[in-house]
Amino acid sequence: GAGVSQTPSNKVTEKGKYVELRCDPISGHTALYWYRQSLGQGPEFLIYFQGTGAADDSGLPNDRFFAVRPEGSVSTLKIQRTERGDSAVYLCASSLGGGVFGTDTQYFGPGTRLTVL
Amino acid sequence: AQRVTQPEKLLSVFKGAPVELKCNYSYSGSPELFWYVQYSRQRLQLLLRHISRESIKGFTADLNKGETSFHLKKPFAQEEDSAMYYCALLLSNFGNEKLTFGTGTRLTIIP
Repeated sequence: GAGVSQTPSNKVTEKGKYVELRCDPISGHTALYWYRQSLGQGPEFLIYFQGTGAADDSGLPNDRFFAVRPEGSVSTLKIQRTERGDSAVYLCASSLGGGVFGTDTQYFGPGTRLTVL
Repeated sequence: AQRVTQPEKLLSVFKGAPVELKCNYSYSGSPELFWYVQYSRQRLQLLLRHISRESIKGFTADLNKGETSFHLKKPFAQEEDSAMYYCALLLSNFGNEKLTFGTGTRLTIIP
């Protein structure tokens, strides 16, 4: 079946602009995660949704970053007033959720490469 | 605070030789550990998890709580094993589920 999809695959923007990154999780997955991967680093957790609500947003670096999942499926990561330091690959993952804690596999999307000039 | 350390950024091994990718963690709770792999031009995917104690593509990993390690091993490397490998720790509390990743090791198998 279809995996996690993310659009766009690449986004180039100028410093100070607003961007939106979209994630389509696997159908039926209630849990959705956003991670950010900078060059030479492993993915870093940003935010986790269970259904429509953000269960943990402790990884969002500052208030320029915001994410929504209004209908419990598609999620959008929004970045305001982008800075050059925001350049990274943004990864989305989903899992079944609701199972025994810690046993759900997270399935990753291909990522969106964001470049801020 | 939780942390995952992969001390080797790069590792080259001859085909047919044994492979060991090192991973150490620090976490005060009961750890759940994973290895993820990313092949060239593919997405990040789960290789194995310690809780299932299975062998995938000939790889195994044993959780050693005394040494706080979860090293990935394979007795005979194959060319298709060349990839980026990430060790990850799952923090799972009520309502909180997130992976903490190491910085990754790029494994190259020399033909």
